[in-house]
Amino acid sequence: EPEVTQTPSHQVTQMGQEVILRCVPISNHLYFYWYRQILGQKVEFLVSFYNNEISEKSEIFDDQFSVERPDGSNFTLKIRSTKLEDSAMYFCASTSGFFTGELFFGEGSRLTVL
Amino acid sequence: AQSVTQLGSHVSVSEGALVLLRCNYSSSVPPYLFWYVQYPNQGLQLLLKYTTGATLVKGINGFEAEFKKSETSFHLTKPSAHMSDAAEYFCAVSKTGGGADGLTFGKGTHLIIQP
Repeated sequence: EPEVTQTPSHQVTQMGQEVILRCVPISNHLYFYWYRQILGQKVEFLVSFYNNEISEKSEIFDDQFSVERPDGSNFTLKIRSTKLEDSAMYFCASTSGFFTGELFFGEGSRLTVL
Repeated sequence: AQSVTQLGSHVSVSEGALVLLRCNYSSSVPPYLFWYVQYPNQGLQLLLKYTTGATLVKGINGFEAEFKKSETSFHLTKPSAHMSDAAEYFCAVSKTGGGADGLTFGKGTHLIIQP
């Protein structure tokens, strides 16, 4: 069964370092998303991406964040200079179309900023 | 603006008992509503969704939810809990089917099944 895969599963980094989280969405999907979940808090929308550009982004997604689809399969989230408060589980999701209602999520990448 | 409130961060039921997880939403437009489940060390998986039409929707693993517009609720139920139902459950709302604006999630309810 097709699935969304994310790497790494866990990354530990020092404050101020750049981090890239990688996602391989399901191959025929066209819409891609990043969400994050700080420990004990709700899952929060960060950004959606379609046709090689950002469709929507939340206020969390500031200039420290960027997304890219560098080739036909990968979808990356870059945090330019990590802060302690960026420590969270980051989920990638994809869907074939806006109105299917179902997002397919990866297992998440846990980011720990020290 | 949309928001979701899930009552009870933890719910504990006995195996075989009724499961009821509560979700109330706020939306300025007719909502699309979802329940997702997250098993340990896994991603979120769609349980069921309400878009339009029948207000009682059935999902996987015997779960169902009823959209009640007058109560702005979308509670999740299962008649008889099974040990394998132990997981984190998230209610979510979207203005569309989960499109560009993404989903707004509740804080989640951890379901504990007592043997």
